[in-house]
Amino acid sequence: GAVVSQHPSWVICKSGTSVKIECRSLDFQATTMFWYRQFPKQSLMLMATSNEGSKATYEQGVEKDKFLINHASLTLSTLTVTSAHPEDSSFYICSARSSGVGNTIYFGEGSWLTVV
Amino acid sequence: KNQVEQSPQSLIILEGKNCTLQCNYTVSPFSNLRWYKQDTGRGPVSLTIMTFSENTKSNGRYTATLDADTKQSSLHITASQLSDSASYICVVSVGGSYIPTFGRGTSLIVHP
Repeated sequence: GAVVSQHPSWVICKSGTSVKIECRSLDFQATTMFWYRQFPKQSLMLMATSNEGSKATYEQGVEKDKFLINHASLTLSTLTVTSAHPEDSSFYICSARSSGVGNTIYFGEGSWLTVV
Repeated sequence: KNQVEQSPQSLIILEGKNCTLQCNYTVSPFSNLRWYKQDTGRGPVSLTIMTFSENTKSNGRYTATLDADTKQSSLHITASQLSDSASYICVVSVGGSYIPTFGRGTSLIVHP
């Protein structure tokens, strides 16, 4: 079945540095990808919606200059957390929407980010 | 405003018992409704997807129902197992744009 690969699965970085998380759709083309963050025991929070070849649409309260999203191809979207701070530590998940029947959404396995 | 409300927020049951999770939505126009299972620290995994014309869909011990008139869905888990302990998320997509609206999830704990 369709798979969404997310990399890295976990990363530790120093405060002030930038971290890039990749989201790849395997075996299908994803015209739209979504990025979420999730704090422990809380629900998924949509950060932004990204369409291939265009600028991402950010949800209210999400800083677009801090969370840079690039969706350069139909199989790859990246999220860059710039100048990371400890409060950015979270679980980041991406999902990709298949343009096939039902427009099914497939989720990546998530990336744990810890900023120290 | 498109919203998806799930209940209960959390649920504890004994292994082997059945349970039903609820999802009410106000999303319009409606495209489809999906139930996902999310294990702690993992990405959500799709259980079922239903369109407007479908009122029930099964996946093993999971059975989802949809009443498009009342805008309600339920996920029934039969003969629960310890591995069913997870968060169950209801997602409703808007017709046309297919933008998903997420429920906050129901946290299920299955005790031995």
